[in-house]
Amino acid sequence: DAKTTQPNSMESNEEEPVHLPCNHSTISGTDYIHWYRQLPSQGPEYVIHGLTSNVNNRMASLAIAEDRKSSTLILHRATLRDAAVYYCILSAHSGTYKYIFGTGTRLKVLA
Amino acid sequence: GAVVSQHPSRVICKSGTSVKIECRSLDFQATTMFWYRQFPKQSLMLMATSNEGSKATYEQGVEKDKFLINHASLTLSTLTVTSAHPEDSSFYICSATDRGRGYGYTFGSGTRLTVV
Repeated sequence: DAKTTQPNSMESNEEEPVHLPCNHSTISGTDYIHWYRQLPSQGPEYVIHGLTSNVNNRMASLAIAEDRKSSTLILHRATLRDAAVYYCILSAHSGTYKYIFGTGTRLKVLA
Repeated sequence: GAVVSQHPSRVICKSGTSVKIECRSLDFQATTMFWYRQFPKQSLMLMATSNEGSKATYEQGVEKDKFLINHASLTLSTLTVTSAHPEDSSFYICSATDRGRGYGYTFGSGTRLTVV
């Protein structure tokens, strides 16, 4: 399983954009890039996923590097409710594509 | 959207007893489910993969006789922690996917197990 590397923690001011980076230099051609977040004492929650092109949804945007060796989750306006641990996960889209969680980034949002 | 219900949310049991945790997919059929455990301030660690109608596949280092997994139907998987000890105290989380639906995992809300 390809490994991801994320900063342990980041801080952001409320209502400012947040860019959460993820390095995945050993990504394979069939690996999708997934982002989940986990609030305290809850299960992970889906945020966004992509393969090659940048993706947008109501929660966030995902910017994928051209060589796919890194990606960035973008929260356009951080709120206090966005404080969570954000996980970047690689998984193939076929077979038993189990998720292996890395350490994630703990995002602190300052009021 | 897909909903996964996990029960109980919290359980306290005495050392030496067994505890069963249920994971249900409420609005889809889950052909594959996964079980994770998470210690405080740590990431999720995959314990096992369960496929409906067949034996679970356990990750290296996970005792299959201690963590019994049953996935007897397309909407229910159970994890039984047998002869629980304080070191088994953890946050257990399940996730489910229906490959026929395409793609994506939905996670349960987790079960906090405390063994005293």
